[in-house]
Amino acid sequence: DAGVIQSPRHEVTEMGQEVTLRCKPISGHDYLFWYRQTMMRGLELLIYFNNNVPIDDSGMPEDRFSAKMPNASFSTLKIQPSEPRDSAVYFCASSGHEQFFGPGTRLTVL
Amino acid sequence: QQQVKQSPQSLIVQKGGIPIINCAYENTAFDYFPWYQQFPGKGPALLIAIRPDVSEKKEGRFTISFNKSAKQFSLHIMDSQPGDSATYFCAASIFAGGYQKVTFGTGTKLQVIP
Repeated sequence: DAGVIQSPRHEVTEMGQEVTLRCKPISGHDYLFWYRQTMMRGLELLIYFNNNVPIDDSGMPEDRFSAKMPNASFSTLKIQPSEPRDSAVYFCASSGHEQFFGPGTRLTVL
Repeated sequence: QQQVKQSPQSLIVQKGGIPIINCAYENTAFDYFPWYQQFPGKGPALLIAIRPDVSEKKEGRFTISFNKSAKQFSLHIMDSQPGDSATYFCAASIFAGGYQKVTFGTGTKLQVIP
C-alpha cells in the first residue's frame, strides 16, 4: 500500500482565495482524520470521519472550513475564503487501529 | 485544555547520548500511549507504544518507561544517532466512538550532534 496520499504537497495562495486539500486514505481503513499543525498550537484535530460520515467537527476553527468524504477513498478539506492565519501544515490520517499520517500539505496564505 | 504535557520543547545531545523526553497526562481513562516520530517535511509516524498495565517497553534503541501512579511516561533513546534527529510527540488515547481518540503532546525537537 502507498500509505496515505495527500495533494498538493505545497500550496501558496492569496488571502480570500478558495483552497482545497485532498486526501486518499489507506484502503480498508474506516476512519479518516484531518489535522492542522502549527508551531504555536501543535497538532490539532479538525474533524474525523467514520465510514465516510463526519462524526466530530468540533475542531474546525470556523465556518470557512469544510470537509467532505464522498467515498471511502477520497476526502477534501476546503477553506473559503482563506486567511493568512490559516497558514499551517495540514495532515490527513487514516486508521484501522493505529493512525497513519500522510506527508501533509504546507499551506501558505499571503 | 491541554491533557498531555510534554517536555522539553527542544533537546540537543551528542551522538551516543541518551535523550529523555517526558510526558504527563491527567485523564486516567487513557488506555494507550503511543509515541510518534516526525522528520522534516513528513507526517508523524508511530514509533512505539505502551499500555498502562506495563511499566516498560523496549523496541530496539527506544524505550518507554511508564509510571501509572504518577501519570507520567517517558521516551529514552539509547545510543542516539544523528539519524534520530526529529520531532517526537507523545500521545495518550482512549477507545471511544469505535476508534482510538488520540491527544498529542506539543512535541520535542531532538537534535543529535555527530
